Amino acid sequence: DAGVTQSPTHLIKTRGQQVTLRCSPKSGHDTVSWYQQALGQGPQFIFQYYEEEERQRGNFPDRFSGHQFPNYSSELNVNALLLGDSALYLCASSLGDTTYNEQFFGPGTRLTVL
Amino acid sequence: ILNVEQSPQSLHVQEGDSTNFTCSFPSSNFYALHWYRWETAKSPEALFVMTLNGDEKKKGRISATLNTKEGYSYLYIKGSQPEDSATYLCAFIKAGTALIFGKGTTLSVSS
Repeated sequence: DAGVTQSPTHLIKTRGQQVTLRCSPKSGHDTVSWYQQALGQGPQFIFQYYEEEERQRGNFPDRFSGHQFPNYSSELNVNALLLGDSALYLCASSLGDTTYNEQFFGPGTRLTVL
Repeated sequence: ILNVEQSPQSLHVQEGDSTNFTCSFPSSNFYALHWYRWETAKSPEALFVMTLNGDEKKKGRISATLNTKEGYSYLYIKGSQPEDSATYLCAFIKAGTALIFGKGTTLSVSS
């Protein structure tokens, strides 16, 4: 079992550009959550997908959007990048609701916006 | 407390020392508390998911307690080893929210 995988590992973009980050969940997991971790902060919840629907969303603008595919993999899209979007983006998967189930995290994608 | 607070922010101990950290959270509408360990250059790894007041969980030399009425959880490490060096994150869930993470406690264990 490869666990949770994310691509790419690192990414450099300029302000105003768009970016797509990808995540493959742990085998058997149906729920994918995305987090942003800025320097010196804890991970901040962006949104969660289950059965190809956005089930819950954190306090992020509409520039952040996502998708979940039938195989449970997921994408995070960020439009009109700002310098403040520079962060580590973590994907986590779980079997069902994350309230009572542990999440398995990927290694993250480091996004730098210049 | 409106958010999750973890203390101390960082600490350095010697191999063999026992240590503990605190996670404080709003006590109202509590659903669950998660603890994660995040080693450098690795992915965060789940340690415990705790839901009941008075819960105590143990995994090897690491244990955790939960007090939902007063809004805190303690993580204990007995006989710290260099491989315990990591950032320890707690995250809580209350009604209507997803996981809310603290900033973490970074532990460094010297041999």
